[in-house]
Amino acid sequence: EVQLVESGGGLVQPGGSLRLSCAASGFTFRSDWMSWVRQAPGKGLEWVANINQDGSETFYVDSMKGRFTISRDNAKNSLYLQMNSLRAEDTAVYYCARDLAVKEVYYETVRHYYHMDVWGTGTTVTVSS
Amino acid sequence: DIQMTQSPSSLSASVGDRVTITCRASRRISNYLNWYQQKPGRAPKLLIFAASRLQSGVPSRFSGSGSGTDFTLTISSLQPEDVATYYCQESDSTPYSFGQGTKLQIK
Repeated sequence: EVQLVESGGGLVQPGGSLRLSCAASGFTFRSDWMSWVRQAPGKGLEWVANINQDGSETFYVDSMKGRFTISRDNAKNSLYLQMNSLRAEDTAVYYCARDLAVKEVYYETVRHYYHMDVWGTGTTVTVSS
Repeated sequence: DIQMTQSPSSLSASVGDRVTITCRASRRISNYLNWYQQKPGRAPKLLIFAASRLQSGVPSRFSGSGSGTDFTLTISSLQPEDVATYYCQESDSTPYSFGQGTKLQIK
């Protein structure tokens, strides 16, 4: 069974740090891009960051650049999100997801259609004093 | 960054109704558009990718269309289990922005 399980959430004080983990199973983890998405209480989905197969490429939403770091350990089938300088507005459920690419040739160009087809159940981060 | 705007923000329809949700991108994104369904307390679930491709296992009453800046998610015959919030997401360029969501309820 294809599965993602997040862990590491909890209560942290403003300015503190937390490291989230996401354990993957049931698929070839090292072959896929992976993403983190968050959802503040009662709010919509917010894309956070993603990382390529070998960890050499990472992308972030501007508001988290410099504070959050996405990484992976393919030997452990694990994805991570290191969160520093946490603020109250970082309070959210954090989901990891597989960012699957479907490749197509379109008029002699190659297109990659990325979509998050597998999601974890989420881990809750609360930033409060 | 690309901004994604969904409409309506919420809607109420009867079982069996045809339901349409729209999503507009702030610039052209070809067909790099995904749709997700999220039920309360649950993780999102992929419905549609590449604007119109139905994800495996998703009922055929769901369909997607559009290209460029304007996209549509259609439920051909609303079922009680379709009560959820629906999100569009662009996958043209990072950050892969989501729309604000459309909350769908049964009348």
